[in-house]
Amino acid sequence: DAGVIQSPRHEVTEMGQEVTLRCKPISGHDYLFWYRQTMMRGLELLIYFNNNVPIDDSGMPEDRFSAKMPNASFSTLKIQPSEPRDSAVYFCASSPSWGGAFFGQGTRLTVV
Amino acid sequence: QQQVKQSPQSLIVQKGGISIINCAYENTAFDYFPWYQQFPGKGPALLIAIRPDVSEKKEGRFTISFNKSAKQFSLHIMDSQPGDSATYFCAASATGDKLIFGTGTRLQVFP
Repeated sequence: DAGVIQSPRHEVTEMGQEVTLRCKPISGHDYLFWYRQTMMRGLELLIYFNNNVPIDDSGMPEDRFSAKMPNASFSTLKIQPSEPRDSAVYFCASSPSWGGAFFGQGTRLTVV
Repeated sequence: QQQVKQSPQSLIVQKGGISIINCAYENTAFDYFPWYQQFPGKGPALLIAIRPDVSEKKEGRFTISFNKSAKQFSLHIMDSQPGDSATYFCAASATGDKLIFGTGTRLQVFP
């Protein structure tokens, strides 16, 4: 298995633009997580899905952030409009059951 | 209640030495305690994990020690190598709930 695949690896965008991050989880995994990592705040869970259904989105910072999982093999995290404070590394992870989360390589987002 | 407190923030060890990273938690519902290793530019990778029915788990040079009564668990890296230099995160979760991560420990192993 190729592991969790995220795209793009790097994204540089201007403030106010829409940003879409993509994730392909490991086949057969029931859970999908979106995390954000910064030096100041460490690893933050933004939202997670179980069988494509959002379970907990309490970590989503504000309405500018949205996430979807239209099927078991694809998820998106969208930021609209983007702001400089959204600059971070965004990770997608998947798990076959609670505990064994496997992370992708991450998307480094820079909003200028 | 939901926090996992990790220490130290950074650690410098000589090659061949033992690296020890500690974590403490409050939520007694936590029943899964993994450790993750992260290299620069990479995502965290699951290193080793333990459940509270055992007090120790060893995989190669990596050992988790778990103290249920003290609500503490630790990662020991024996015979530390320069290739072990990375950031290590402890985490905890309860069944059916999300993983809570510690703040990370940056380990540097010098030859």
